[in-house]
Amino acid sequence: AQTVTQSQPEMSVQEAETVTLSCTYDTSESDYYLFWYKQPPSRQMILVIRQEAYKQQNATENRFSVNFQKAAKSFSLKISDSQLGDAAMYFCAYRRGAHNKLVFGAGTILRVKS
Amino acid sequence: DTGVSQDPRHKITKRGQNVTFRCDPISEHNRLYWYRQTLGQGPEFLTYFQNEAQLEKSRLLSDRFSAERPKGSFSTLEIQRTEQGDSAMYLCASSLAQWTGGVTEAFFGQGTRLTVV
Repeated sequence: AQTVTQSQPEMSVQEAETVTLSCTYDTSESDYYLFWYKQPPSRQMILVIRQEAYKQQNATENRFSVNFQKAAKSFSLKISDSQLGDAAMYFCAYRRGAHNKLVFGAGTILRVKS
Repeated sequence: DTGVSQDPRHKITKRGQNVTFRCDPISEHNRLYWYRQTLGQGPEFLTYFQNEAQLEKSRLLSDRFSAERPKGSFSTLEIQRTEQGDSAMYLCASSLAQWTGGVTEAFFGQGTRLTVV
């Protein structure tokens, strides 16, 4: 079974600074996708960024980028120029191929200090 | 389309009662998923539908849980004889499985928070 591990229960960052959230996963599949979702307090989960396993290039979405290390099965999220609105729970998630069941990590609470 | 909608947002029920939740997916999405999220944890998969067919159920989905999507549009999740351990956030998500074999990202609703007292 696939597993996703987020080893940082909580992280803090100063506004405008950069923070990196860690994620490791375990799978024997070759066709899979990785995601970072953001869940603000009492609000719905939204997709931040996705990475296809077959792509070597790390995905980037504005201030958000990933460091995808396929051999190490590591998938970290870097948030640059942190903003107060970035404060949320962040979940790393795995999806096997086109089968769209998501397997989530336990999450990392990100606090942004002004 | 305003996205995935769930109703109710909050439900408090007494142990032993039955509860039913509703999810309205994004209209063109043919896949619909139910997840359960307990406090401080990531969502756990319960079940999913493609159109009206229920294609997979997690072993987390005990006999007391049943889900339906009768016309391939909205879905209901019913919990019978609720227990305190059922207290959680129940999340619904939808996506589009394309004829090319690809699947779009899942879009989530705001969830139904169930408290069993």
